[in-house]
Parts: sequence; structure tokens; C-alpha cells
Amino acid sequence: DSGVTQTPKHLITATGQRVTLRCSPRSGDLSVYWYQQSLDQGLQFLIQYYNGEERAKGNILERFSAQQFPDLHSELNLSSLELGDSALYFCASSKRGAHVAGELFFGEGSRLTVL
Amino acid sequence: SQELEQSPQSLIVQEGKNLTINCTSSKTLYGLYWYKQKYGEGLIFLMMLQKGGEEKSHEKITAKLDEKKQQSSLHITASQPSHAGIYLCGADMASGTYKYIFGTGTRLKVLA
Repeated sequence: DSGVTQTPKHLITATGQRVTLRCSPRSGDLSVYWYQQSLDQGLQFLIQYYNGEERAKGNILERFSAQQFPDLHSELNLSSLELGDSALYFCASSKRGAHVAGELFFGEGSRLTVL
Repeated sequence: SQELEQSPQSLIVQEGKNLTINCTSSKTLYGLYWYKQKYGEGLIFLMMLQKGGEEKSHEKITAKLDEKKQQSSLHITASQPSHAGIYLCGADMASGTYKYIFGTGTRLKVLA
């Protein structure tokens, strides 16, 4: 058990819909990272937050948005869903947010299926 | 193109054999990490390398970072079925960015 909690574990929805994925980081960790993993694209970095502030942005689509709340949990919102958004979405956390972030602790992921 | 390239993409070895996985970056890295993932599960941290020339070992797995900090290798000695999974290298990229990205992954199967 990494200490990172993601909900829901599985989600099936239709194209055009909107979903929210939730992540609770390990106790004491200030940084939250979001990743998308699909068979053809591998593990893609989406976005990172550190203590409520956006720290780095990767290949995150405009239809996607995220935030980190004062209690440090984070949400990833996916809207106008397309078939290609079907993937495993991971959240990870770490204590640090600066250079050499160190070890990331990963949740078990949220598997999104868009029909 | 991927910022972190891994090779090979997949590997099938007989139990007891040694193997090496490589990870190459076009940029100098602040930190290079190795993770293991079982299918459909989260990543598990294996090792972190920071200094050029650094080498670390954990049980039968050894990782090295080259002097220029742009290439790393992961070596498994006397592989076992428990080593099977996907190995990914990760890196804090240089140039003031906080992106923590991962390589393309190497899928390892160990035949008993």
C-alpha cells in the first residue's frame, strides 16, 4: 500500500461526458502528479501541483483540467470525452516539488473506459 | 519523439539468465529513477541515481548512471519469474522544468 488513494478505480462513460478523478496523496506529501497511461502512448506526464500551486505542465489537453485543494487532495477533470481518452490515469505524490523530486508514490490508478 | 528512450521494448529470458535494460536521454538529468510496474497496477520505486558514474544495487538488480548523466542501465542477475513486469526509467528533466517524465518502458517476461 503506497498510501496514495485514487477514486474511482473503474469508470465507464460515454463520449461527450465529463468525469472527475480524485486523488488523496500520502500524509505529509505536498506534490501531486497526474499521469495517463495507454498502450500506444505509454506513461504520459499531465500535470504537477505543489502545495496548491501548479508547478509543471505536460501533455495535458485543454479539455482536461486539474487542481489541488488546501487539504492537498487533487482532482483531475476530463470533459467532452472521446474514445481516445480511454486509459489508466495515475496519481502520484512526493514530499518535494523542486529539482530532484525523488521517489514518487503511485496510487493504483483509475481505469477510464469511454464508449 | 520520446525524451527518454528505453531499449529493448520487450524481453523474454529464461530463468537464471542475466539481462540489461537501457535508458537514454537527450538532456542532462537531475535525477534518474527506475520503477517496476505489474500489469494494470501502480509503479513501484526501485532506485534513484543522481551523480555521474553512480551505481546502486538492490538484491539482484543493479543500476548505473553514466558520467554525462544522460544514459542509465538496469541489470538483473540470475533472473527469476518474480522479476517479470514492466520496467520504466523516470527523470527530472533539466533546464528548470519540474517535469517528471518516464521512458517508453521495457516489458520483461521470465520463463520458468
